[in-house]
Amino acid sequence: SQKIEQNSEALNIQEGKTATLTCNYTNYSPAYLQWYRQDPGRGPVFLLLIRENEKEKRKERLKVTFDTTLKQSLFHITASQPADSATYLCALDIAPRGSYIPTFGRGTSLIVHP
Amino acid sequence: DGGITQSPKYLFRKEGQNVTLSCEQNLNHDAMYWYRQDPGQGLRLIYYSQIVNDFQKGDIAEGYSVSREKKESFPLTVTSAQKNPTAFYLCATLNEVRSGANVLTFGAGSRLTVL
Repeated sequence: SQKIEQNSEALNIQEGKTATLTCNYTNYSPAYLQWYRQDPGRGPVFLLLIRENEKEKRKERLKVTFDTTLKQSLFHITASQPADSATYLCALDIAPRGSYIPTFGRGTSLIVHP
Repeated sequence: DGGITQSPKYLFRKEGQNVTLSCEQNLNHDAMYWYRQDPGQGLRLIYYSQIVNDFQKGDIAEGYSVSREKKESFPLTVTSAQKNPTAFYLCATLNEVRSGANVLTFGAGSRLTVL
């Protein structure tokens, strides 16, 4: 069955450093992969999408890589700030037959210390 | 929360009662979804609807029911058959941001607690 794995342990880093979060998946070849941010008690918010034919995508301080051979995506936040502290979720579309059914990883909590 | 309104924000229920969570959107999106989130478990799909008057079960539909009579509305009923309903419930709509790619827009969520 489809599996999406994200580090369950919180990632603690110092302000100004680069945070790197990992998303691994098995048994599927998604056309694209997405990253969302979720703050406590709120709904997730879409951040970035990367397609299978793209190696890297950037948006301001965010960078996402996608290695379809390793079945892995890395999510980087450069020059991290305490305001970046949140849970970050990766998501894949696993649906057959033209439906869209996003499946989410459990998320990794990022804590940026001042 | 991008045009999706979930209500109530907090809800307490006694065992054996049915409750209905509201999800209304003004984004004109066709597809809508209900997810359940428990601590450490991520988001799990309950039901989804691609179009009015049609909906499909997700991974954990047992003990839940939905309706999709209007494009704007996708209410979720948590029935007494749901054995462990205490959770954070998230409604989402599907937004096609680029040709062939889709992302979800989420509501603020409803937290249900069974007393």
